Amino acid sequence: EAGVTQSPTHLIKTRGQQATLRCSPISGHTSVYWYQQALGLGLQFLLWYDEGEERNRGNFPPRFSGRQFPNYSSELNVNALELEDSALYLCASSSFGGLDTGELFFGEGSRLTVL
Amino acid sequence: GDSVTQMEGPVTLSEEAFLTINCTYTATGYPSLFWYVQYPGEGLQLLLKATKADDKGSNKGFEATYRKETTSFHLEKGSVQVSDSAVYFCALRGGGADGLTFGKGTHLIIQP
Repeated sequence: EAGVTQSPTHLIKTRGQQATLRCSPISGHTSVYWYQQALGLGLQFLLWYDEGEERNRGNFPPRFSGRQFPNYSSELNVNALELEDSALYLCASSSFGGLDTGELFFGEGSRLTVL
Repeated sequence: GDSVTQMEGPVTLSEEAFLTINCTYTATGYPSLFWYVQYPGEGLQLLLKATKADDKGSNKGFEATYRKETTSFHLEKGSVQVSDSAVYFCALRGGGADGLTFGKGTHLIIQP
């Protein structure tokens, strides 16, 4: 069974540009979560999508946005990139909207570098 | 809000040493508790979990006990190996609708 897949693996952008990151959840999972892992800050919750709708978002500005498609894949968009957006962006999926025991399955991440 | 505090690293040990990584939490209600591990260049993998007080999670020689009275979920292993070198994250799922709340991670380095 395929795990959570993310693309691209690495992405280099300059300040002010836009970045788009993509995630495919495990087959059968309807929930997708996005986390930002910046150096020294651990994992910060960004967004949660379930059944195509945004269910919750973390304490990030509106230039961080995303969507979930009918096949449950998701994309994260970051507009007007700033240097501090450089981080590893992790996608995770779960079944039942995370209402089970809460286990999340993570992809390997997309590393965004803003120059 | 919910929060997780874990010891800062890096933690450096010799092979076959005893390992303890401390984790304490703040949450309302009765959260589920998790330890995730991140090997170099990889995403996070669930290592073990406990869903109620006094539960013990265990996997690959690691174990942690859900202690409600001390709001702790310390990770232990009796004899570490070089292959255990990784970053370990303590996490909880509380009543909020934002998946898991993570600690900042502890970088573990095992020397042969």
